[in-house]
Amino acid sequence: AQTVTQSQPEMSVQEAETVTLSCTYDTSESDYYLFWYKQPPSRQMILVIRQEAYKQQNATENRFSVNFQKAAKSFSLKISDSQLGDAAMYFCAYRSVILTGGGNKLTFGTGTQLKVEL
Amino acid sequence: NAGVTQTPKFQVLKTGQSMTLQCAQDMNHEYMSWYRQDPGMGLRLIHYSVGAGITDQGEVPNGYNVSRSTTEDFPLRLLSAAPSQTSVYFCASSYRDSPDYEQYFGPGTRLTVT
Repeated sequence: AQTVTQSQPEMSVQEAETVTLSCTYDTSESDYYLFWYKQPPSRQMILVIRQEAYKQQNATENRFSVNFQKAAKSFSLKISDSQLGDAAMYFCAYRSVILTGGGNKLTFGTGTQLKVEL
Repeated sequence: NAGVTQTPKFQVLKTGQSMTLQCAQDMNHEYMSWYRQDPGMGLRLIHYSVGAGITDQGEVPNGYNVSRSTTEDFPLRLLSAAPSQTSVYFCASSYRDSPDYEQYFGPGTRLTVT
């Protein structure tokens, strides 16, 4: 079974600065998808960024980018020019490609609470 | 287009009571699922459905039942609530059972069992 580990329960960043959230995962599969979700105080889960394991190029979405190291099984999220609205819980998640007919199951990490300070 | 809706937003139950958490989507999504979120444990899959009439168990199905009679609705039933089921419950849907399609989450239901 796959596992996802987020070792930083809390992180803080100054407004306009850059912060990196860590995520490692364990899998024996060669192809899979990785995701970062944001959960603000409203509880709504919002997809931030997605990475397909067979793509070597790191995904980017505006101020959000990932550092995907497949051999190290590492998938960190970098937030540039941090804004007050970035304050939220961030979850890393894994989805198997092989798992067909078995549901679009996401395996989540335990989350990192990001605080943005003025 | 309301997306994924969940009712109620909050609920308090006594041990042994039953209830149904409602989930609906208006995006014609085939895939729907239920997760629970507990402190320090992330989200865990309870049940899922890849289409009307088709359901299957996820990682933590015990104590929960589901059915999918229509494409739009995917209710989660607690037959006899237990304090261990105190959690926040999320419903999610996607167009197909594939990571190529984004999963959309509902706003969640906070359930407390006393």
